[in-house]
Amino acid sequence: SQQGEEDPQALSIQEGENATMNCSYKTSINNLQWYRQNSGRGLVHLILIRSNEREKHSGRLRVTLDTSKKSSSLLITASRAADTASYFCATDSPRNSGGSNYKLTFGKGTLLTVNP
Amino acid sequence: DGGITQSPKYLFRKEGQNVTLSCEQNLNHDAMYWYRQDPGQGLRLIYYSQIVNDFQKGDIAEGYSVSREKKESFPLTVTSAQKNPTAFYLCASSIARGRIHYGYTFGSGTRLTVV
Repeated sequence: SQQGEEDPQALSIQEGENATMNCSYKTSINNLQWYRQNSGRGLVHLILIRSNEREKHSGRLRVTLDTSKKSSSLLITASRAADTASYFCATDSPRNSGGSNYKLTFGKGTLLTVNP
Repeated sequence: DGGITQSPKYLFRKEGQNVTLSCEQNLNHDAMYWYRQDPGQGLRLIYYSQIVNDFQKGDIAEGYSVSREKKESFPLTVTSAQKNPTAFYLCASSIARGRIHYGYTFGSGTRLTVV
């Protein structure tokens, strides 16, 4: 089942510009996470934002979460050619009894290309 | 260095053959996962395990089997019953205790091709 849906599917920008990717989801969450995947490699965890948080920063990354709209955005500032990768959001949804299911549901990703 | 290791990196399977993908972690993580990724697609959960000797089916478990005899190891067998096994397989692990679930650490993947 697909919980998160990223938008846009692909994004091409020039080095130095900012890149914004969006993620929408359908059910309630414990937290939402963003991952990066370089071509043919495994995913790398970037940032986790909990359901009671609205914004989080890590270096050039800024993540926002709007639980009322069931959406999140990932902003990469001052992009570099090395940021070229696919970016995925993943949601951790609660069990009926509370707590985590301990499994993430991933979206299809946004392919970001940063041109030198 | 702590990490999660998948092997082999590339694997070729003949029709009707079972193959096993290895996943080993030395992070002392409780939970381990197997995902399948098809070109241009997201990750789909095959199986996951929260503790030793216990595992649950994910969204696409048919044609696959797993075992979790040791905390460090979570091998995936792709059986002949899996009719379309060509894909990129990713193993991951995470801390999973109490009400908290942390981020995943992924291996570098195994690309399986049917020949």
